[in-house]
Order: sequence, then C-alpha cells, then structure tokens
Amino acid sequence: QKEVEQNSGPLSVPEGAIASLNCTYSDRVSQSFFWYRQYSGKSPELIMSIYSNGDKEDGRFTAQLNKASQYVSLLIRDSQPSDSATYLCAVKSSNDYKLSFGAGTTVTVRA
Amino acid sequence: EAGVTQFPSHSVIEKGQTVTLRCDPISGHDNLYWYRRVMGKEIKFLLHFVKESKQDESGMPNNRFLAERTGGTYSTLKVQPAELEDSGVYFCASSHSWEQFFGPGTRLTVL
Repeated sequence: QKEVEQNSGPLSVPEGAIASLNCTYSDRVSQSFFWYRQYSGKSPELIMSIYSNGDKEDGRFTAQLNKASQYVSLLIRDSQPSDSATYLCAVKSSNDYKLSFGAGTTVTVRA
Repeated sequence: EAGVTQFPSHSVIEKGQTVTLRCDPISGHDNLYWYRRVMGKEIKFLLHFVKESKQDESGMPNNRFLAERTGGTYSTLKVQPAELEDSGVYFCASSHSWEQFFGPGTRLTVL
C-alpha cells in the first residue's frame, strides 16, 4: 500500500465548475497536510496547508481534513483555465519533517 | 523575497561520470531538503539538513550520493558514479518551520 494515494486523473472540468481532488494516507500519526500545485516543468507551489480536522478556506480553494478516515481533499471553486496543473498531496508525520507525496492528479479546466 | 534556486536546470552525463547539483535555500531558512522524482513515480524524500547538520538521511538510496551543506547556507548533492537509474528531477526545498518551499528542480539524465 502506498503511503499517500490520490484519485487517478486526469480530471477535466468546465470553466466555472468545482474541481474535487481526494487524497488518502496510511500513517495514522500523520500531523500536517499540504497541497501543492505544479505546472509542467515548474516547481511545486504550496497552495494550502491544513493541520486540524475540518475545512480551511483560502480564496477559491478549500481543504478538508478527516483524520479518523485518513482523508484530505481539495476543492477548487469557480475553476479557471489557469488552474490547469498537477496537484500534489503531501503528508508530514509527527516524527520528522519529511514529506510523503502522492503521485498527483492532473486537472484540466476547459474554457 | 527570492525563492529557492537550483543549478543547473538540466544536466546530461554519461554513466560513471560525476555530477554535482547545487541548491540555494530561501534566506533565513535553517531547514533544507532534497527530494527526487524518477519517471512515473512520486516525489521521494532524500534527506533533511538543519543548518549544516544532517537531520535525516533515510531516503538516500546508496553511498553514491553525498550531500553537504557547509556553513549552513547552500547545499550540494553529488552523485558519483552516476548510474542510469539516477535519472530524474532533483528538487530542493527549504523551510522555516513545517511549510516547505520548493525550487524548480534539476533534471538529470544519465546516458
């Protein structure tokens, strides 16, 4: 079983729709959760971090965390063509600083 | 504020040669990390420096890889001798606390 699994893509959504990205993790002591956006050939860019159960909103992005279900998600509201990228879920355990990454979900927003 | 920078952006070498990658973290970040992504796989942790000390090198694949961070500023990752399976993108990241900021990566191709 992989440490971090993301829903397989690619995910295609029309402009203005909600894109929903899911991520599950296997390590129960995981403490911190991050979403990165990566455009082709560019560096992963941190867009959201979440540490507590519940929802966290930042602009058009909402991260949701459920530690009991070992599940974290990212919603992108009012999707724009500029949101087309690969989204990486990353998890940090409580024991160290290293991040475990999922394989990423590629999102395409159709104009 | 300048981001994490990496040099070179691309490197093509032959099997058995040596390559040295450089990372300059965000100024003031004590934590520096190396990750790599090989084709078709997730981004994987290699090691973590706190200032000039190696805090965690559990992800280093073998003794052909040597990382240094003299003076606690920039870091180098040397691969000697390079093997075909070392091809991939090597990312450096830095952090003040838990949120890690990534550089653009060095794409290494071993022929």
